[in-house]
Amino acid sequence: GDSVTQTEGPVTVSESESLIINCTYSATSIAYPNLFWYVRYPGEGLQLLLKVITAGQKGSSRGFEATYNKETTSFHLQKASVQESDSAVYYCALAPDTNAYKVIFGKGTHLHVLP
Amino acid sequence: DMKVTQMPRYLIKRMGENVLLECGQDMSHETMYWYRQDPGLGLQLIYISYDVDSNSEGDIPKGYRVSRKKREHFSLILDSAKTNQTSVYFCASRGFNSDYTFGSGTRLLVI
Repeated sequence: GDSVTQTEGPVTVSESESLIINCTYSATSIAYPNLFWYVRYPGEGLQLLLKVITAGQKGSSRGFEATYNKETTSFHLQKASVQESDSAVYYCALAPDTNAYKVIFGKGTHLHVLP
Repeated sequence: DMKVTQMPRYLIKRMGENVLLECGQDMSHETMYWYRQDPGLGLQLIYISYDVDSNSEGDIPKGYRVSRKKREHFSLILDSAKTNQTSVYFCASRGFNSDYTFGSGTRLLVI
C-alpha cells in the first residue's frame, strides 16, 4: 500500500544549526502524489507548512524548503539555520491528487532546538 | 479567522463510560475527519464525513461512531470507553486543494 516514512525522532539540534528531516514515500497506486509537510507546535493542532504538487518543484515556507524528487521518491525537509521557535513535531504526508479525500501521514518527527 | 475548535481539551473517563468529543469549524468545509495519535504511530484515521449524514469509516473505526447533523459540527462518540482508547484525538476539515485545518486536539485518558 501507499505509505510515508520519515526520520524517527526526537531530533535535537542547536539554534543556528542546519536541519534535515528525511521523508520517503511509497505510492504504488499513485502516479503523481501531492506531497505535504505539516507542523504541530506545542498545544496547537497541525498546520500546513508547505506543499508541492509537481515533481521536481520545491516548496518553501518560514525558511524551510522541500523538493519533490520523483526518482528517489523523497521529500526531505531542510532549513539552513533553525531557531528555538522551530521546536515542534513535523509530519510528512501525501495525497493521491489535489482532490483526494484521504491523506496519508508519516509518524511525525519531534524536533528540539536548543538555545 | 478560519479555525477548527475541539472541546474539551482534556478529558478523564472511567472504563465503560460514554465519551463525546466535539468539533466545530467555521469555514463551511464539506469534509471533516477524526484522527487519533499515539506515540510512535502517527495519525490514524478513524472516520471521514463528506457532509451532513454522509460518513465513512476510516482505518480504525472499531469502538467509535460519529455524528454530523450540521455541516459545521462533527462529533466522535465512544460508547463504553476502553483503556486502549486513551489517546490524543484530532479533528480536521478539508479545504480547497486538500489543505487541512486541524483542531488543537483532545487528550483523552480512560482509566
